[in-house]
Amino acid sequence: QQQVKQSPQSLIVQKGGISIINCAYENTAFDYFPWYQQFPGKGPALLIAIRPDVSEKKEGRFTISFNKSAKQFSLHIMDSQPGDSATYFCAASRGGGSQGNLIFGKGTKLSVKP
Amino acid sequence: KAGVTQTPRYLIKTRGQQVTLSCSPISGHRSVSWYQQTPGQGLQFLFEYFSETQRNKGNFPGRFSGRQFSNSRSEMNVSTLELGDSALYLCASSWGPSSGANVLTFGAGSRLTVL
Repeated sequence: QQQVKQSPQSLIVQKGGISIINCAYENTAFDYFPWYQQFPGKGPALLIAIRPDVSEKKEGRFTISFNKSAKQFSLHIMDSQPGDSATYFCAASRGGGSQGNLIFGKGTKLSVKP
Repeated sequence: KAGVTQTPRYLIKTRGQQVTLSCSPISGHRSVSWYQQTPGQGLQFLFEYFSETQRNKGNFPGRFSGRQFSNSRSEMNVSTLELGDSALYLCASSWGPSSGANVLTFGAGSRLTVL
């Protein structure tokens, strides 16, 4: 049973464009939603995270939009750069993020073309 | 500041064998979580340890086990290996549950191949 559904599976964007990755969750008890970035040969690294009490969070070129009623959240990468080419994972957990048992989406492989 | 260190980085085993993977968390981090990453299933939670106690466990068979030592270092063991156990095993450390949003810092993983 997949509790966090992520789309698309892969994404190709031109340099300078906007990359958008979407996730949907089922469990209304989830209250912490991080995004992780993974480069080949490396472990995932936290990019940005949001709690359901806000609808948007922005850090530099990365923005999370959160729709609690639709149980959906998305990652927007503005002015995408070739260095952003990586696999992105959305995740969710309960307990305000105090627990280490994240439920991950299956990932989106982003390629940014120069 | 050293990151999360996992050893070995690569290993090859045959079906029926067992394997032990090691994880040294970031200094000061007391919580360690383990994840299995495969192309088909993605990242799946195995278990979480804090202060030598298992706090949470994922939906994996009993062949998968772990432990945490008093210095917060952790090991996971997989017995009676099956072909489907071939995966990247990731360890993540964090300060612990009393620290609010628990930012997980992942190691580079141990890639296990079962032949």
